[in-house]
Amino acid sequence: GAVVSQHPSRVICKSGTSVKIECRSLDFQATTMFWYRQFPKQSLMLMATSNEGSKATYEQGVEKDKFLINHASLTLSTLTVTSAHPEDSSFYICSASGGSPLHFGNGTRLTVT
Amino acid sequence: QKEVEQDPGPLSVPEGAIVSLNCTYSNSAFQYFMWYRQYSRKGPELLMYTYSSGNKEDGRFTAQVDKSSKYISLFIRDSQPSDSATYLCAMTPITGTASKLTFGTGTRLQVTL
Repeated sequence: GAVVSQHPSRVICKSGTSVKIECRSLDFQATTMFWYRQFPKQSLMLMATSNEGSKATYEQGVEKDKFLINHASLTLSTLTVTSAHPEDSSFYICSASGGSPLHFGNGTRLTVT
Repeated sequence: QKEVEQDPGPLSVPEGAIVSLNCTYSNSAFQYFMWYRQYSRKGPELLMYTYSSGNKEDGRFTAQVDKSSKYISLFIRDSQPSDSATYLCAMTPITGTASKLTFGTGTRLQVTL
């Protein structure tokens, strides 16, 4: 079946630093990938839609300069959290589809100290 | 009013019980309906995927969609402790690589021995 790989699974960083999260589709090409954020005991909140070869589309209220998305190839999208602060600590999940429906990566738990 | 409503639970049932999980929605444009299972600190795993109204069965899982009532259900037969997880319903008006999902808040299920 379709597999989406996300790396790293867990990262701890200091306030003010930047963190890059990778999302790869392993056995299909994904022209579109999605980035979500999930707080404890809450559902997934869509942050942005990552489009291969073009700019990402951000949801209302999501700072595009803080959450940089690059979709350089049909199998890789990256999310960079710039100048991270403790309030950015969360569970970040990517998803992709080789057709339908969407499959998700295993998420990245970001802790900013 | 949220587009998708889902009781957050928690729902606790004994092993072997039949579990009924439900979502209601308000957007009549939704055509594709999914159920995801999410274990703690993991990404959502696709369980069931249905189009329009009707039933779909896969092993111990049955998904039902009633578009006239804007109501979807997931039934789990012979529930096992390993079924303990959060179950998320999701839906979209279109399918394909660009389909953006709208999620319910998730229902936390605990199957006890």
